[in-house]
Amino acid sequence: DQQVKQNSPSLSVQEGRISILNCDYTNSMFDYFLWYKKYPAEGPTFLISISSIKDKNEDGRFTVFLNKSAKHLSLHIVPSQPGDSAVYFCAASRPSGYALNFGKGTSLLVTP
Amino acid sequence: KAGVTQTPRYLIKTRGQQVTLSCSPISGHRSVSWYQQTPGQGLQFLFEYFSETQRNKGNFPGRFSGRQFSNSRSEMNVSTLELGDSALYLCASSLGESNQPQHFGDGTRLSIL
Repeated sequence: DQQVKQNSPSLSVQEGRISILNCDYTNSMFDYFLWYKKYPAEGPTFLISISSIKDKNEDGRFTVFLNKSAKHLSLHIVPSQPGDSAVYFCAASRPSGYALNFGKGTSLLVTP
Repeated sequence: KAGVTQTPRYLIKTRGQQVTLSCSPISGHRSVSWYQQTPGQGLQFLFEYFSETQRNKGNFPGRFSGRQFSNSRSEMNVSTLELGDSALYLCASSLGESNQPQHFGDGTRLSIL
C-alpha cells in the first residue's frame, strides 16, 4: 500500500523558472517529511526536510511547503538550473519511526 | 567528511546462493537503515539498526537479515537468492534520533541469474 504518492512521473521546466514538485500522503501519523534528489548510478542525496509543526522550510533555492489538512507537500526550486535535472523523491516517517516511506519519484528536466 | 560507503558496488549471483552486503556509515552516526529499490516497487524499507540492535523491520521475508557491529558498520545478508531479489540495495545512516535526515550511500547493484 503506497502511503506516499508522487503523481507526476516527470516534469519539464525552463532554466530560471520555478520547479514545483508535489507529493501526497495518506497516513496521518506521518510527522517528518523529506525530499531527496537522485542522479543515475548514485544514491539519493538529502535536500531538505520539514517537521509537521511547521508549514514551510527554506534552504537556499529550495523551499518545502506542508499542508497537513490536505496531506500534501511540495518542493519549490527557484530559480531552476540544468544541474537540478534528476529524480526527486518525497519521503515521510512516523513519530519515533526510523523507516522512511518513499514516493516513486518525479523526474525533473530543466532545459536551457 | 566521508559519506556512507557501500561495498561492493556490483554483484552477480545465481539463484539459491547467498550474499552479504556491507555498509560503513558516516562517522558519528549510530543508526543504519537498509532499503531495496526496484523499478516496480520503488524504494522499500528493509530494516534499521541502532547500537547493534534491530530497531525497526519492514515487510520482507526472513531470508533478508542484517546486523550491526560496535563501530556502527552494518552488513545485510540475503539467503537462498531468488530472481526477484535483483535490485539496488541502499544503505543510509543517521544520528538515530527522531526527525533527523538519513544520508544514503551509492548502493550495491545485485543481479541474480
